[in-house]
Amino acid sequence: DAKTTQPTSMDCAEGRAANLPCNHSTISGNEYVYWYRQIHSQGPQYIIHGLKNNETNEMASLIITEDRKSSTLILPHATLRDTAVYYCIVKGVYGGATNKLIFGTGTLLAVQP
Amino acid sequence: GAVVSQHPSWVICKSGTSVKIECRSLDFQATTMFWYRQFPKQSLMLMATSNEGSKATYEQGVEKDKFLINHASLTLSTLTVTSAHPEDSSFYICSARSLAGDTQYFGPGTRLTVL
Repeated sequence: DAKTTQPTSMDCAEGRAANLPCNHSTISGNEYVYWYRQIHSQGPQYIIHGLKNNETNEMASLIITEDRKSSTLILPHATLRDTAVYYCIVKGVYGGATNKLIFGTGTLLAVQP
Repeated sequence: GAVVSQHPSWVICKSGTSVKIECRSLDFQATTMFWYRQFPKQSLMLMATSNEGSKATYEQGVEKDKFLINHASLTLSTLTVTSAHPEDSSFYICSARSLAGDTQYFGPGTRLTVL
């Protein structure tokens, strides 16, 4: 079973920041938070992951709360091409029993022109 | 990011036939590959995990004799849907995890339609 909770859907205006929340209150100390997105009829695309520190790359920023029970994915300037289902996934370290990506229902982000 | 390809991208077959789907990691070596299935308007469901040179591990409820997985090299895994039936029609997606890191990269998916 997925160990995360995400809103079913969100809207965002083009050019504005999209902030996608995720709750993972049962996360263990050695589990990472991963974000993927899936554009319609394509395979999932890796976005970013983190353990406890905030992370940033060319696609997005990941903000993890100090207690690690929730996180927010930030797309700084959303475009129409960012419309997709965004999945927040908790995954254990390599070789561990929970080292598999188990997908929940995700958040459908609709970027509006 | 790392590139994973799948072939074919779509296939239509008759009921009772077998279909093979290939998954390749193009620019990295993958010790572990994963196979997922996705029905319309649903999320991805993990079917099995395969490690190069060993037998695949299937998730509960997935028939290993129906979905044959071979991971013969560090860059290739195949999924064969045997004696396909219309209820096997789905979007099949593979992913690969590199030797170097722990991030999984996904292929573009294969749309299987069984008539």
